[in-house]
Amino acid sequence: QVQLQQWGAGLLKPSETLSLTCGVYGGSVSGYYWSWIRQPPGKGLEWIGEISPRGNTKYNPSLKSRVTISVDRSKDQFSLKLNSVTAADTAVYYCARHGEGYYFDKWVQGTLVTVSS
Amino acid sequence: QSALTQTASVSGSPGQSITISCTGTNSDVGAYNYVSWYQQHSGKAPKLMIYDVNNRPSGVSNRFSGSKSGNTASLTISGLQAEDEADYYCTSYTSSGPYVFGTGTKVTVL
Repeated sequence: QVQLQQWGAGLLKPSETLSLTCGVYGGSVSGYYWSWIRQPPGKGLEWIGEISPRGNTKYNPSLKSRVTISVDRSKDQFSLKLNSVTAADTAVYYCARHGEGYYFDKWVQGTLVTVSS
Repeated sequence: QSALTQTASVSGSPGQSITISCTGTNSDVGAYNYVSWYQQHSGKAPKLMIYDVNNRPSGVSNRFSGSKSGNTASLTISGLQAEDEADYYCTSYTSSGPYVFGTGTKVTVL
């Protein structure tokens, strides 16, 4: 049974870079698409971006200029970087696995990232 | 890309059936049979309930069903139970995104 675990800094100052990593346990990062999704407090879900088994990425157009998603196959991990954060980036961030199609079948519990001066 | 539109809240009594709608455009919901639905209990991660419009993952109760007509997808919960009280989100593949989520629906069991 594949398990996901994510980690990264939970408190950032404006203009800093958000950095989160998602580890895949009991399985391999290869062979699947992986996404990052976020949810501001009390609000809905927002898709951030994805990385393919080949390492190709796609990003939400509204965040594209600030986002980088990468994969480290040797460690079965993938990562999110979001630069120049503001208070509007305060949210619970989730990493998720894609199923065999255009949906997300496994989610991590989520990490609250707060941006505050 | 704009979020898909969902009814803000829906309520029902135990045993009743309720339907949640998810309205998009002919660039997302109307263009692809790639609508999925997620259940999110307070403070928890979302859980996949329906994928590809009307398919249930293993382990999801058959009380949950999905459908689509034109630019609107729907999730029906039959035989409503207390444990179904949660927020529900739809999402669709989109030509510009490639993913867009719905605004979310709060389901209350009376």
